[in-house]
Amino acid sequence: GQSLEQPSEVTAVEGAIVQINCTYQTSGFYGLSWYQQHDGGAPTFLSYNGLDGLEETGRFSSFLSRSDSYGYLLLQELQMKDSASYFCAVWGFKAAGNKLTFGGGTRVLVKP
Amino acid sequence: ETGVTQTPRHLVMGMTNKKSLKCEQHLGHNAMYWYKQSAKKPLELMFVYSLEERVENNSVPSRFSPECPNSSHLFLHLHTLQPEDSALYLCASSQATGTGELFFGEGSRLTVL
Repeated sequence: GQSLEQPSEVTAVEGAIVQINCTYQTSGFYGLSWYQQHDGGAPTFLSYNGLDGLEETGRFSSFLSRSDSYGYLLLQELQMKDSASYFCAVWGFKAAGNKLTFGGGTRVLVKP
Repeated sequence: ETGVTQTPRHLVMGMTNKKSLKCEQHLGHNAMYWYKQSAKKPLELMFVYSLEERVENNSVPSRFSPECPNSSHLFLHLHTLQPEDSALYLCASSQATGTGELFFGEGSRLTVL
């Protein structure tokens, strides 16, 4: 099976940096994705790491270490609009097909 | 606007009712998904369709019945639900399974009385 662990909540001030860690267990692994979901909205894709290392997209970066079954999402120069839930998700594979399993989500609260 | 449209956005039903949730994607994708999102719980994968064939049924009770008539449409038929089935039901699509990005709809908020 697949399971993911991430912190439930993080609070930070505008302009700060937040790192959301994610550890995972999976029987087969393609890569680690991150999604953002604002209250009342749909989850939206942020990043995907298929290989070890850091992927940078503007203020957000994502890191993967396959040997440690670990990744993180780094939010820099926090803005009020970054207040949302952030989910890590693992693409795993098995004979019956591939599926994307989500962690429980980390609620990020940005304060002025 | 993500290219994935779900209707209805809100639904209230009794335990003896039969209703359906509809999802339509305008992205030309080959895979479609149903996820359930309950408070304080991770998004739970329910069903996966790839090229209109069901490739994943994640131990979902038979009171939930999916249907994928073509690659653009996905339904979730509901009957004799329980109050604990109240949740946000999210539809998503992707070009393929195993990699890449899922595009989610806004969800259908279901309340079972």
